[in-house]
Amino acid sequence: EAQVTQNPRYLITVTGKKLTVTCSQNMNHEYMSWYRQDPGLGLRQIYYSMNVEVTDKGDVPEGYKVSRKEKRNFPLILESPSPNQTSLYFCASSFKPGRIYGYTFGSGTRLTVV
Amino acid sequence: TQLLEQSPQFLSIQEGENLTVYCNSSSVFSSLQWYRQEPGEGPVLLVTVVTGGEVKKLKRLTFQFGDARKDSSLHITAAQPGDTGLYLCAGPYSGGGADGLTFGKGTHLIIQP
Repeated sequence: EAQVTQNPRYLITVTGKKLTVTCSQNMNHEYMSWYRQDPGLGLRQIYYSMNVEVTDKGDVPEGYKVSRKEKRNFPLILESPSPNQTSLYFCASSFKPGRIYGYTFGSGTRLTVV
Repeated sequence: TQLLEQSPQFLSIQEGENLTVYCNSSSVFSSLQWYRQEPGEGPVLLVTVVTGGEVKKLKRLTFQFGDARKDSSLHITAAQPGDTGLYLCAGPYSGGGADGLTFGKGTHLIIQP
């Protein structure tokens, strides 16, 4: 089954403790992206990757890191999480970014930073 | 900055009624996409419209892209409880800066039995 897999689904952590949210896709998609979803603010792009070893900032990159060492994986790293990073996070992939290719989203990771 | 504004923000109607939700922008988009998101899950693509004036139908859902490619609408006929969810419109970034899709804040739709 074609899918984007995120782990974990739920995570509660403390301020300053480094964490990684994993994302993997099995569709051989070139493009991958991370979004956060907050009430009243909608989905906002954090980082995206056009292909292996090619990453760039989205609208809200502060406090996050990403890497794309393999085509299928695109982990999101929070080096020193803070409470304002409490959010619902989604990884998405697409054949290519552009006007006609839709995104496939993962099921989300609900992160709470206390 | 390309903004997509969706209206209404919330809509609660009875099963069997018809409804229309809107997605508007002051910017021209090369295409627009509609997604539906259910609680606890990621958004799922419903349709992509790419030509001004285009109309696409997906069973009881009708999607229209404005002639000027600045707006889109989603019309649901005879709504059913299974249509409940958050409906999101999205369009590709353009003009430099980030790549990928920018999203509207969505319309929360509740269909009551």
